[in-house]
Amino acid sequence: KNQVEQSPQSLIILEGKNCTLQCNYTVSPFSNLRWYKQDTGRGPVSLTIMTFSENTKSNRRYTATLDADTKQSSLHITASQLSDSASYICVVSDRGSTLGRLYFGRGTQLTVWP
Amino acid sequence: EADIYQTPRYLVIGTGKKITLECSQTMGHDKMYWYQQDPGMELHLIHYSYGVNSTEKGDLSSESTVSRIRTEHFPLTLESARPSHTSQYLCASSVLGQGSVPYEQYFGPGTRLTVT
Repeated sequence: KNQVEQSPQSLIILEGKNCTLQCNYTVSPFSNLRWYKQDTGRGPVSLTIMTFSENTKSNRRYTATLDADTKQSSLHITASQLSDSASYICVVSDRGSTLGRLYFGRGTQLTVWP
Repeated sequence: EADIYQTPRYLVIGTGKKITLECSQTMGHDKMYWYQQDPGMELHLIHYSYGVNSTEKGDLSSESTVSRIRTEHFPLTLESARPSHTSQYLCASSVLGQGSVPYEQYFGPGTRLTVT
């Protein structure tokens, strides 16, 4: 069964600290993996998209890693800010084109305290 | 910010009413989607469209219907709202994409629907 599991379910950190969110997937075949940020009451916004051949990708203070062999990904947030408080969703696609299906995780709810 | 819009943002309506959730995008994207999301849960695809006059059902069975008469517009309709329809509805769009190149999917802000 194709699934995307994220951990932890929720996380509280202090402003300025780093954190790492985890994503494990069983989707096969694998085409690409995305991380989205979803603020409360808003739609998801893409942070990174990684294909099979990419194992690290950075976007400002966000760094995503991908290990296609172990089917694991992580999202590392550096020097957290209050605005980082949001749900972070891992999404895996089984094909590159829009004929493919997206499999969504339930997200990690991150709260950054001052 | 993506150029994809949803109205209304919030809707509280009584059981049995007919409602239409609006979604429009100005990016010229061919493919559009509707997702349903409950708090703390994953997004579920309920409808999608490859272009004008194309509509398909998604993975999650839904009593809603959609239409695609214009490229930029993809409204979702519930003929008779029920409390079980209470949820957040997210619209998204993307280019069609080719081969193995990942395509970016852009989401609207969502409509929070409450049926009493």
